[in-house]
Amino acid sequence: QVQLQESGPGLVKPSGTLSLTCAVSGDSITSSNWWTWVRQPPGKGLEWIGEIFHSGSTNYNPFLGSRVTISVDKSKNQLSVTLNSVTAADTAVYYCARIPFFYYAIDVWGQGTTVTVSS
Amino acid sequence: EVVLTQSPGTLSLSPGDTATLSCRAGQSVSSTYLAWYQQKPGQAPRLVIYGASTRAAGIPDRFSGSGSGTDFTLTISRLEPEDYAVYYCQQYTTPARYTFGQGTRLEI
Repeated sequence: QVQLQESGPGLVKPSGTLSLTCAVSGDSITSSNWWTWVRQPPGKGLEWIGEIFHSGSTNYNPFLGSRVTISVDKSKNQLSVTLNSVTAADTAVYYCARIPFFYYAIDVWGQGTTVTVSS
Repeated sequence: EVVLTQSPGTLSLSPGDTATLSCRAGQSVSSTYLAWYQQKPGQAPRLVIYGASTRAAGIPDRFSGSGSGTDFTLTISRLEPEDYAVYYCQQYTTPARYTFGQGTRLEI
């Protein structure tokens, strides 16, 4: 059974950096999947942040611009996301998830972790 | 960006009814790239349909997806209490970019 577990600070100061890690179990980060981050502001819908393949190839939501970076650590079987220059608008539940090749859809989600941007 | 517009915003139905949820894209989307998710309060979304009409693992056959081009539909027959949730459609475009609709709340 594939499981994804997000972790990281629940509170980040404005203009600071949000950093989250996702531990993958039951699957290898080097398998034929893209690994992605999605967020959901309180009471709102879903927003795709970006994705990464184990080769290091990445795609990002252009609306987040250069603020976001996604990386993988093959030795730890985990992925990470970093979001710079955060504001209150970045307050959300952050999910890591898996996109199998040729699905173009997310078949496995982590439980999500809440990040609040506040001073 | 491909904008997905879901309707209605809220759908109120009784157990045993049939729910019809709509997802309209601002430009044509390949059926391969259209998915639906179910989200219950406090939970992560769950994949229901991918490729516009293929049920995900463990999804009962009461759920069906259809559509092409700019108009897609999720139909849930014989509604059961566990079906009440928010449903999101999602599409993929090239260069790689995923977008979600704003959601339809299915309530009793």
